[in-house]
Amino acid sequence: GAGVSQTPSNKVTEKGKYVELRCDPISGHTALYWYRQSLGQGPEFLIYFQGTGAADDSGLPNDRFFAVRPEGSVSTLKIQRTERGDSAVYLCASSFGEKETQYFGPGTRLLVL
Amino acid sequence: AQSVAQPEDQVNVAEGNPLTVKCTYSVSGNPYLFWYVQYPNRGLQFLLKYITGDNLVKGSYGFEAEFNKSQTSFHLKKPSALVSDSALYFCAVRDNGNYGQNFVFGPGTRLSVLP
Repeated sequence: GAGVSQTPSNKVTEKGKYVELRCDPISGHTALYWYRQSLGQGPEFLIYFQGTGAADDSGLPNDRFFAVRPEGSVSTLKIQRTERGDSAVYLCASSFGEKETQYFGPGTRLLVL
Repeated sequence: AQSVAQPEDQVNVAEGNPLTVKCTYSVSGNPYLFWYVQYPNRGLQFLLKYITGDNLVKGSYGFEAEFNKSQTSFHLKKPSALVSDSALYFCAVRDNGNYGQNFVFGPGTRLSVLP
């Protein structure tokens, strides 16, 4: 079956701009996670949704970052006033339940110039 | 808070030889432990997990891992390495006793299997 998909695969933007990154989870998966992976490092947790609500947003670095999942399926990670330090690969994962294995998408590579 | 260490940045092994990629963890409750592999320009792929039960866990592509509670380790192993196993490997832990749902990943170990 279809895996987790993320769009766009690459995004180049200028410092100060607003960006949206999209994640389509595996159908039927109720839990959705966002991570950020910088070069040479492991993924860093950002936020976790159970259904439509953010169950844990403790990993969001500051209030420029926000994520939504209005219908409990697709999620959008939104970054306002982007900074060069936001450049990274943003990974999305989904799982069937909150204790199940997470399956990852291919990521969106964000470059802030 | 939970944490994961992967003490080796790089592991080199000859094709056909056994391989081990090391992982140690720290949690306050009972651990959920995972291994993922990442190939260039691709997302993380699940290999195996330990939740409870048998300490030796078998996973995809012939990999296995042994949970050792006393040493707080979860090393990844394979009896005979293939060149195609060359990739970046991540260990991850979640604290089962913590209501937070997030994983903590280690920094990764790059495995190179030499022909």
